[in-house]
Amino acid sequence: DVKVTQSSRYLVKRTGEKVFLECVQDMDHENMFWYRQDPGLGLRLIYFSYDVKMKEKGDIPEGYSVSREKKERFSLILESASTNQTSMYLCASSALDSYTEAFFGQGTRLTVV
Amino acid sequence: KNEVEQSPQNLTAQEGEFITINCSYSVGISALHWLQQHPGGGIVSLFMLSSGKKKHGRLIATINIQEKHSSLHITASHPRDSAVYICAVRDETSGSRLTFGEGTQLTVNP
Repeated sequence: DVKVTQSSRYLVKRTGEKVFLECVQDMDHENMFWYRQDPGLGLRLIYFSYDVKMKEKGDIPEGYSVSREKKERFSLILESASTNQTSMYLCASSALDSYTEAFFGQGTRLTVV
Repeated sequence: KNEVEQSPQNLTAQEGEFITINCSYSVGISALHWLQQHPGGGIVSLFMLSSGKKKHGRLIATINIQEKHSSLHITASHPRDSAVYICAVRDETSGSRLTFGEGTQLTVNP
């Protein structure tokens, strides 16, 4: 069974903390994505990566950075967490071919207090 | 105006009813995805379409490229179909990136 696994289902962090969200996929996919999902706004792309050490900004990259040191792992970093980053975070992966499916992780619900 | 619009936003049905969720988009696309999200967050891919129609069990997805419109149908709906259904498109100019609709919350009552 193919899998995208996010390291935590629920996280509570304090304002100003550095937060790491980890995502691992076992499908040898080139593309990996980080989204956040908020009520009324749907899923919005934060960053994506199409290869190891490659990254591109999505629609809402401010306040976030990413790391892709290995093909299977894509990390989202909140350098200094703020309350407006309280959200559901979803990781996804897909093969390089744009005609293939995307696979999603189970989501991490992050609360910043 | 969003690039991807879904209707309705919320839908309540009785078990056994036939359900239709609609998705309209405004850009040229290479593919359209229908996704399902249950409470708790995980998203599952139901269909990926670039033309015509696909069927899987009680689910049917259709797409009309000329009209920039897709529909997801559920026949003989069941309470376990209750979930958020999300339409997402792959813009033909943006490679692998997806643009998402806001989702349709479906509740099927027994």
